Amino acid sequence: DAGVIQSPRHEVTEMGQEVTLRCKPISGHNSLFWYRQTMMRGLELLIYFNNNVPIDDSGMPEDRFSAKMPNASFSTLKIQPSEPRDSAVYFCASTKTGGSYEQYFGPGTRLTVT
Amino acid sequence: ELKVEQNPLFLSMQEGKNYTIYCNYSTTSDRLYWYRQDPGKSLESLFVLLSNGAVKQEGRLMASLDTKARLSTLHITAAVHDLSATYFCAVGYGGSQGNLIFGKGTKLSVKP
Repeated sequence: DAGVIQSPRHEVTEMGQEVTLRCKPISGHNSLFWYRQTMMRGLELLIYFNNNVPIDDSGMPEDRFSAKMPNASFSTLKIQPSEPRDSAVYFCASTKTGGSYEQYFGPGTRLTVT
Repeated sequence: ELKVEQNPLFLSMQEGKNYTIYCNYSTTSDRLYWYRQDPGKSLESLFVLLSNGAVKQEGRLMASLDTKARLSTLHITAAVHDLSATYFCAVGYGGSQGNLIFGKGTKLSVKP
């Protein structure tokens, strides 16, 4: 299995630009999670989906952030407009419910907003 | 609200020594996970503990779970430099969607 795939791996953008992060979960997994990690705030859960449906988006910082999961094999996290304080590593993770619920993490996207 | 507390948050050890990292959580759960993160890398699953009294070992690391005390431990035996990393515990939380609540992580540095 290829594991969780994220793209891009690195993104540098200017303040005000739109940023789209992408995630492909492990085949057969039906829950998908978006996390953000910074030195100051640690690992934060932003939003998670179950069977393509958003379950809890209470961790999304503000309306500039949005996430979609149009099908079982693809999810996006969009930031519009981006701000320097959005600079972080964004991780996607997936799991298959009904088993051990072990989450498998993707390699992450390192976002820098200048 | 479920809270997960790890201690210590920073740990500097000498090679060959033993030490334990503690993970306390505030509400009932029978799912506890340990992850490792190397600098600049992603999180890698180490242990999955799914019942009271569960104990798992891999090399120099051993994890245990006491659901009654709401406590998990990660014991390091005869530490080596390669174990230097940040270790996170995570607790299964509510519902059946697989949500986890992570601790802040313990940054372990093993020095010769």
